[in-house]
Amino acid sequence: KAGVTQTPRYLIKTRGQQVTLSCSPISGHRSVSWYQQTPGQGLQFLFEYFSETQRNKGNFPGRFSGRQFSNSRSEMNVSTLELGDSALYLCASSLDRSSGNTIYFGEGSWLTVV
Amino acid sequence: KQEVTQIPAALSVPEGENLVLNCSFTDSAIYNLQWFRQDPGKGLTSLLLIQSSQREQTSGRLNASLDKSSGRSTLYIAASQPGDSATYLCAVEEGAQKLVFGQGTRLTINP
Repeated sequence: KAGVTQTPRYLIKTRGQQVTLSCSPISGHRSVSWYQQTPGQGLQFLFEYFSETQRNKGNFPGRFSGRQFSNSRSEMNVSTLELGDSALYLCASSLDRSSGNTIYFGEGSWLTVV
Repeated sequence: KQEVTQIPAALSVPEGENLVLNCSFTDSAIYNLQWFRQDPGKGLTSLLLIQSSQREQTSGRLNASLDKSSGRSTLYIAASQPGDSATYLCAVEEGAQKLVFGQGTRLTINP
């Protein structure tokens, strides 16, 4: 069965623009979470969605937002891009919200802000 | 605030050796601990998940242990191979898929 799919894989944006990243979870998975990975800060939790509701949020400014659709697909949006937003954005899915389910990650979307 | 530390940051060993990667965390109130592998430019691959009530998990040449009371986990890799070269990440789950990651150990296995 297909894994977690993220699009686009690579993109370059200019400071001040906004960007939308997409994630399709593994079929049947209802929980989707997003992470930012940078060389300096490592992997940091952005937010988690379950049944179209944001249940958990990390310590990121309001410029970072997301949503989940009824088919469990998710998008995240970053507005007013800053140079420091350049990172690998990883989406992950799991079966449900119970702790202890293996979390599966996509290949990520590489965002470069110039 | 939960902090996860991985030591060493980088490790280079000859092929065939057994090795241990270390992970420590500051708050023992975790749901589980997971070990992941990340190849350059790629996403993460789950290796082992240890529930908070468990002491260890094994998969093939990999064995992970968890000591919640001391805030430590180890990943043991037996008979290392060049294909094991990657960055290994330890993460604790604080609940509802929120993972707190260590900075990783970059492992190189030399043929």
